[in-house]
Amino acid sequence: EDKVVQSPLSLVVHEGDTVTLNCSYEVTNFRSLLWYKQEKKAPTFLFMLTSSGIEKKSGRLSSILDKKELSSILNITATQTGDSAIYLCAGSSNTGKLIFGQGTTLQVKP
Amino acid sequence: EAGVVQSPRYKIIEKKQPVAFWCNPISGHNTLYWYRQNLGQGPELLIRYENEEAVDDSQLPKDRFSAERLKGVDSTLKIQPAELGDSAVYLCASSFDRDQPQHFGDGTRLSIL
Repeated sequence: EDKVVQSPLSLVVHEGDTVTLNCSYEVTNFRSLLWYKQEKKAPTFLFMLTSSGIEKKSGRLSSILDKKELSSILNITATQTGDSAIYLCAGSSNTGKLIFGQGTTLQVKP
Repeated sequence: EAGVVQSPRYKIIEKKQPVAFWCNPISGHNTLYWYRQNLGQGPELLIRYENEEAVDDSQLPKDRFSAERLKGVDSTLKIQPAELGDSAVYLCASSFDRDQPQHFGDGTRLSIL
């Protein structure tokens, strides 16, 4: 059965800290790994990773995929209170179906 | 570019009543998805459309759930009759094709009394 597991489930840090969120996956016919940020509404797309070892960056956020270890990490540097959200990781199969993890709830305190 | 639009945002109904959700995907996106998200969990796929064809509905509880995507654009998801366990957020997403990132609407939060 396909599954995606995220850790930690929740995290509390202070502004300026760096955080690393983890995601491991077992997805049949794996195609890509996606990260989303979910505040009170829709999950917002962050990254899609298809190649192992190539880091994607957007501002203070970055992510990398390790196909050998079937895992991915999402890094956030110099965290801000606006980074407080649930971060969702999803594995995509070749059919386009996304299998989501349960999410990591990040709280950034001032 | 306008995002995925869903309505209503909230719906409260009594059990055994019918309910319907509507989704308008991003213009030009051929693939449309309906997900259900329970509290504290990630979204789970209910059905996926490519144009007007439902290509994956294996996780849709067909005894009470139905969906349609007329003309390959807007889609509706219906529950009849609703049960207490159907309380969740129903998310619609769309993508240009199956290999592109999915973009989500704000969802419909359904509460069953």
